[in-house]
Amino acid sequence: GENVEQHPSTLSVQEGDSAVIKCTYSDSASNYFPWYKQELGKRPQLIIDIRSNVGEKKDQRIAVTLNKTAKHFSLHITETQPEDSAVYFCAAYGGSYIPTFGRGTSLIVHP
Amino acid sequence: ETGVTQTPRHLVMGMTNKKSLKCEQHLGHNAMYWYKQSAKKPLELMFVYSLEERVENNSVPSRFSPECPNSSHLFLHLHTLQPEDSALYLCASSQDRGAQGEQYFGPGTRLTVT
Repeated sequence: GENVEQHPSTLSVQEGDSAVIKCTYSDSASNYFPWYKQELGKRPQLIIDIRSNVGEKKDQRIAVTLNKTAKHFSLHITETQPEDSAVYFCAAYGGSYIPTFGRGTSLIVHP
Repeated sequence: ETGVTQTPRHLVMGMTNKKSLKCEQHLGHNAMYWYKQSAKKPLELMFVYSLEERVENNSVPSRFSPECPNSSHLFLHLHTLQPEDSALYLCASSQDRGAQGEQYFGPGTRLTVT
């Protein structure tokens, strides 16, 4: 089955800095990679996703890059703000169409 | 409330009790999911239903029993749970099973087993 590793587990940055979270996956058949944000006490919500036929996708301050050869994908947040503080989860959908989630990264943005 | 709703939001039960968690989605989706979220662990997929048929059972103990009477409702029946089952149980739905779009999560039920 699919195995997803996510790093780092905790990331602390100053407001205005960039943040990068990386995930690796094992199933070469995986073709869909969403990122979810979960604020404290709230439900996870999709913030950006990428499919295997695209190498990069951007939405304002958030971008995701995918390297199919190396089987890793990354979330990039630029000009971080305190409201970006949350736990971020990556996921990979393998050949079974069932998502496997990473362990999550706790992002802390200091004002 | 729109989207995905879950009741109850908090539940405390003893190991000999029987209780049920309820999930309802108002999005017209065809697939529904149960996840377990524990501290310092990834989201663990428990069950997937597509068009009311269970398609995955991720080696979940039999003390957890799902039920999907129609495409809008999903239940998780609990009996003789263990303290290690204490966690946040999240329900989610998606248009279809698979990589067709995002999963919409409910607010979760915080379960404490005493």
